[in-house]
Amino acid sequence: QVQLVESGGGVVQPGRSLRLSCAASGLTFSSYAMHWVRQAPGKGLEWVADISYDGSDQYYADSVKGRFTISRDNSKNTVYLQMNSLRTEDTAVYYCARDVNPGIDYWGQGTLVTVSS
Amino acid sequence: QAVVTQEPSLTVSPGGTVTLTCGSSTGAVTTGLYPYWFQQRPGQAPRTLISDTSNKHSWTPARFSGSLLGGKAALTLSGAQPDDEAEYYCWLIYSGVRVFGGGTKLTVL
Repeated sequence: QVQLVESGGGVVQPGRSLRLSCAASGLTFSSYAMHWVRQAPGKGLEWVADISYDGSDQYYADSVKGRFTISRDNSKNTVYLQMNSLRTEDTAVYYCARDVNPGIDYWGQGTLVTVSS
Repeated sequence: QAVVTQEPSLTVSPGGTVTLTCGSSTGAVTTGLYPYWFQQRPGQAPRTLISDTSNKHSWTPARFSGSLLGGKAALTLSGAQPDDEAEYYCWLIYSGVRVFGGGTKLTVL
């Protein structure tokens, strides 16, 4: 079955960087676009970014554009989210999810990022 | 950016029927906005219930259905069970931009 496992979360100071990873199994990873979605504590879901199946196209929410970069390594079945210039409002659980054009079907369990001094 | 609206909270009796709706600030919701519905139980990751207005996944209980109703996307739960108590989110896709609604907290009581 499809499994998506996020990692890389933790506590980081404002202005610093962090890279999240999402390891996929049970699917032909290179055939699917992938998404990152986040959820601030006690808040709703917010779409963050997505990347095409081959990595050639990336799209971002306005709230992270210019600070976050989504990438993938199809040889490792992994998608990444490089987060720079982190702000306290980036504190959230970050989920990766599989794209089924144009939506999402499978979700990971999430990894918590806390931005605090 | 468009705003997607949902009822903040709804209550349904066990065995009862309830309809959650998903509206768009740009006008009527159509199939072209590809409405999706997600369920998130407390402490869990979201899971996708309904894709493209009305398509169910293999894990979607039969008591859930999706449709368009009165210019909005709708998620109808028929025969509510205690296990259905959760937050429900819809999303709409505006020319590739994904926008989530604020969520509906559904209580089964």
